[in-house]
Amino acid sequence: GQQLNQSPQSMFIQEGEDVSMNCTSSSIFNTWLWYKQDPGEGPVLLIALYKAGELTSNGRLTAQFGITRKDSFLNISASIPSDVGIYFCAGQKYDMRFGAGTRLTVKP
Amino acid sequence: DGGITQSPKYLFRKEGQNVTLSCEQNLNHDAMYWYRQDPGQGLRLIYYSQIVNDFQKGDIAEGYSVSREKKESFPLTVTSAQKNPTAFYLCASSIEDRGVVNEQFFGPGTRLTVL
Repeated sequence: GQQLNQSPQSMFIQEGEDVSMNCTSSSIFNTWLWYKQDPGEGPVLLIALYKAGELTSNGRLTAQFGITRKDSFLNISASIPSDVGIYFCAGQKYDMRFGAGTRLTVKP
Repeated sequence: DGGITQSPKYLFRKEGQNVTLSCEQNLNHDAMYWYRQDPGQGLRLIYYSQIVNDFQKGDIAEGYSVSREKKESFPLTVTSAQKNPTAFYLCASSIEDRGVVNEQFFGPGTRLTVL
């Protein structure tokens, strides 16, 4: 199936810094989703994007559906320690494909 | 509270034994999914079911089997034919709308270790 390339693989940041991660694909998608996974738990849906060019916020999180429908990014502003975890992108057309995840570490 | 439950949280089995992982949802979702997660990798689809009594193979179905006798339940059996079964297994469900796949909601996962 089509692959999603998610970058960066990992990030080590200081509390209060902003974070940006993205996903790209060679295929187009109808929906982009961003999930967060805490260690040993299932992913939790953060943001869902349904339209090319759409920019959606959820608190300190902002995500955009790329205009080409082949990419998406997620920004986290003013990071806090509880932002630690793995962030996954997912693209959806006929089925859902996941990126390999971005592991975020926040140093107090 | 509506949600997806998976049990057990941790499971240990000896090599060569079949083991069944439970997944139950009370969200009234039609579609259910099983994923496997290995360190540093994205989620890989094992099986999915869009309706009761029907299911389809995902990308890595070999060595696994499922059943969907009830809408709320989608158990996964890891058979002895699965060559590398130690992994974190995630169940998910979503609304099924005329073939359109909607956002999936995940259970807490089961970590299977084969000794």
